[in-house]
Amino acid sequence: AQRVTQPEKLLSVFKGAPVELKCNYSYSGSPELFWYVQYSRQRLQLLLRHISRESIKGFTADLNKGETSFHLKKPFAQEEDSAMYYCALRSSGGGADGLTFGKGTHLIIQP
Amino acid sequence: DAGVTQSPTHLIKTRGQQVTLRCSPISGHKSVSWYQQVLGQGPQFIFQYYEKEERGRGNFPDRFSARQFPNYSSELNVNALLLGDSALYLCASSFLLLAGVFEQFFGPGTRLTVL
Repeated sequence: AQRVTQPEKLLSVFKGAPVELKCNYSYSGSPELFWYVQYSRQRLQLLLRHISRESIKGFTADLNKGETSFHLKKPFAQEEDSAMYYCALRSSGGGADGLTFGKGTHLIIQP
Repeated sequence: DAGVTQSPTHLIKTRGQQVTLRCSPISGHKSVSWYQQVLGQGPQFIFQYYEKEERGRGNFPDRFSARQFPNYSSELNVNALLLGDSALYLCASSFLLLAGVFEQFFGPGTRLTVL
């Protein structure tokens, strides 16, 4: 069974400090990994996907198949980064596109 | 386009009752997925429908059912409500970008409270 683990429920860092939100997954096939973000009073939205190897709002994430990890990183945190972050996995090759989410990490950027 | 829309916004029911939640996908999206998000947890996959057919189902009891209409809107039904069904129910519509890149867009959710 596939599983996504986000070990930190809450992460608090100061503005300008580096940020790393951890995500580990368990899946026997070749997964697609995503990071979703939910800002206060807004809906869940896609932040980035591993397949695109993109950088959004200064965030990057590298898929490490050896360590089964997909950590989200940003070198200099900004106050507007405060939000809930969810790591998600989509199984490939099957008919369904349902995502498996982690429990989320609440990121707080202190001024 | 207003994005994915869901109705109602909030709903209060009592144990044993039945509830129907509605979702309209983004124009042009043919796939709709439903998720349950219990407080303090990440969303959990319930169903996916594509072109009016069920394509996937999560680990939920038969009390949960869904359907998709010709206009691609969808309904989620939950029978014999339990206190544990209290949650935010999210709908997401999705499409495949070029080269098979997948993107899923979420609605604001329906907050269901079971008393």
